[in-house]
Amino acid sequence: AQSVTQLDSHVSVSEGTPVLLRCNYSSSYSPSLFWYVQHPNKGLQLLLKYTSAATLVKGINGFEAEFKKSETSFHLTKPSAHMSDAAEYFCVVGGGSARQLTFGSGTQLTVLP
Amino acid sequence: GAVVSQHPSWVICKSGTSVKIECRSLDFQATTMFWYRQFPKQSLMLMATSNEGSKATYEQGVEKDKFLINHASLTLSTLTVTSAHPEDSSFYICSAGGVAGEASTDTQYFGPGTRLTVL
Repeated sequence: AQSVTQLDSHVSVSEGTPVLLRCNYSSSYSPSLFWYVQHPNKGLQLLLKYTSAATLVKGINGFEAEFKKSETSFHLTKPSAHMSDAAEYFCVVGGGSARQLTFGSGTQLTVLP
Repeated sequence: GAVVSQHPSWVICKSGTSVKIECRSLDFQATTMFWYRQFPKQSLMLMATSNEGSKATYEQGVEKDKFLINHASLTLSTLTVTSAHPEDSSFYICSAGGVAGEASTDTQYFGPGTRLTVL
């Protein structure tokens, strides 16, 4: 069994300031972890994924996430927010023979000018 | 690479009619396709998992006779909402996974979604 918890439903930052979106997971086996972004009325775009290689994962658009097994966390960060980063972000855990993904509830990121 | 398309992007239909949504992997073959439903400001809910050439596996609570899934090839899956009613109005998203050559078989590539409105 696996689950994922996104600790903040909404995060608001000013343009040019750091972004932190928090995610905790639970899994009975070595998980695959993903962050996806969804802009309004659009599908999901893969930002990055962790698959038991390096614990610090770099993704697209300047985002990165660090896998911390001891804390069961996979927080998403970006040093400097851009207006175009405003969107819904989903932390996702995968694994198991069915290749199914378990989605977090999402975090809405607002970037203020 | 790894582009998934959906057609149509939006559709409006009358209550009682059926609607077919297509999901295609454009530049790769995917052994498994997934169908999700998303309500406004909510996360994605997995409806069913389909493997090419076999019957789809539906999640608990999803009516298989209402949501017909066909996965005829490694690049095409279709979802047909039969006898649609207003409560079926939603954003339907497909994804393709199990890409040949992928180190992680968990990675899914998502389509842009289809907005269904049933009047």
